[in-house]
Amino acid sequence: QVQLVQSGAEVKKPGASVKVSCKASGYTFTSYYMHWVRQAPGQGLEWMGIINPSGGSTSYAQKLQGRVTMTRDTSTSTVYMELSSLRSEDTAVYYCAREIGYSSGWYAVGVFDYWGQGTLVTVSS
Amino acid sequence: QSVLTQPPSVSGAPGQRVTISCTGSSSNIGAGYDVHWYQQLPGTAPKLLIYGNSNRPSGVPDRFSGSKSGTSASLAISGLQAEDEADYYCQSYDSSLSGYYVFGTGTKVTVL
Repeated sequence: QVQLVQSGAEVKKPGASVKVSCKASGYTFTSYYMHWVRQAPGQGLEWMGIINPSGGSTSYAQKLQGRVTMTRDTSTSTVYMELSSLRSEDTAVYYCAREIGYSSGWYAVGVFDYWGQGTLVTVSS
Repeated sequence: QSVLTQPPSVSGAPGQRVTISCTGSSSNIGAGYDVHWYQQLPGTAPKLLIYGNSNRPSGVPDRFSGSKSGTSASLAISGLQAEDEADYYCQSYDSSLSGYYVFGTGTKVTVL
């Protein structure tokens, strides 16, 4: 069965960096794009970016450009999300989510069928 | 700020029907991009509820239905049950510089 298992909670100081991992199993790792989504306490979902596990290409949300880096290790079927220059507003639960295709139509939008359990990142001095 | 607007909360008695709107613009839903819906129970990751505007993944009860028209989409829950009490989010794609994949602001459904 498909599983996305994320690394544990982190506490970081402002200005530091954090790297969260997401280990995939139960499917062919390189066949599905992976996304990262975060959720601040009591707030909604925010899309952060996407990585193609096959070639490693990425695309990030404009507001995080320059601070976020997504990578992958095909030997361990793991994707990583690193966020630098942390600030208090980055305190959130970070999720990885697998994208599936459902249509070849021009207006089809990637949909997330499996999610990791979430990783709480707390930024505090 | 999300580019997809949802009502903060909706409520209904068990057995009733409730609807949640997701209002976008000409750069996302109005441009023709599909809409998906997720259910998030407290303390858990979101779960896919509706994809491609109106399709239910296997295992999702047919009490849940989705539709799209113009710059908006809607999620309907008929025969409301206690276990439906959760947060619901729409998701689509935005072609403007604000981002690519976008989520709605979220709606809390309360079962009275």
